[in-house]
Amino acid sequence: AQTVTQSQPEMSVQEAETVTLSCTYDTSESDYYLFWYKQPPSRQMILVIRQEAYKQQNATENRFSVNFQKAAKSFSLKISDSQLGDAAMYFCAYSLNTGNQFYFGTGTSLTVIP
Amino acid sequence: AAGVIQSPRHLIKEKRETATLKCYPIPRHDTVYWYQQGPGQDPQFLISFYEKMQSDKGSIPDRFSAQQFSDYHSELNMSSLELGDSALYFCASSLAGASFSNYGYTFGSGTRLTVV
Repeated sequence: AQTVTQSQPEMSVQEAETVTLSCTYDTSESDYYLFWYKQPPSRQMILVIRQEAYKQQNATENRFSVNFQKAAKSFSLKISDSQLGDAAMYFCAYSLNTGNQFYFGTGTSLTVIP
Repeated sequence: AAGVIQSPRHLIKEKRETATLKCYPIPRHDTVYWYQQGPGQDPQFLISFYEKMQSDKGSIPDRFSAQQFSDYHSELNMSSLELGDSALYFCASSLAGASFSNYGYTFGSGTRLTVV
């Protein structure tokens, strides 16, 4: 069975600073996808970044980057130059492929301090 | 760009009533998924449909049923509502067989169901 674990229920970061959110997962599959979703108070689930397991290169989207360690089954999200708008609940998620369900972690609530 | 549309946005029902939630996927998406997110919890997969057939089933109670129609929209029917059914219900859609890097997997804004 697939499980996703986020060990940090809450995190805070000073505006303009860098923060890293942790995620580990468990799977016996070799080919899968990992995601970070952001859920602001508006509750919309917004895709932040996506990583294909077969790619060794870490995904990057502007201020957001991941540290994907496949052997360790670790997938952390780094947010650089944090902005007030980054404040939200962040969910790490796993999926085999399109057509398959997502498995979510329990989320990390990020507070950005002005 | 068109997104996943869910209706209604908010719904208040009494215990033992029924509720129907609707989901309209992104055009050309053939797969629809339903998730339930309780207060302060992560989304839990309920059920999915591909080409109008149930493709996967998660922790969906027997009191709930769902279907996908010929226009690919989906409805989640919930009967004998309980207080514990109060949650945010997300729908998502995708194009099965397409890689995530092309078509991704898009969530709707959810329906907030409150059972009183």
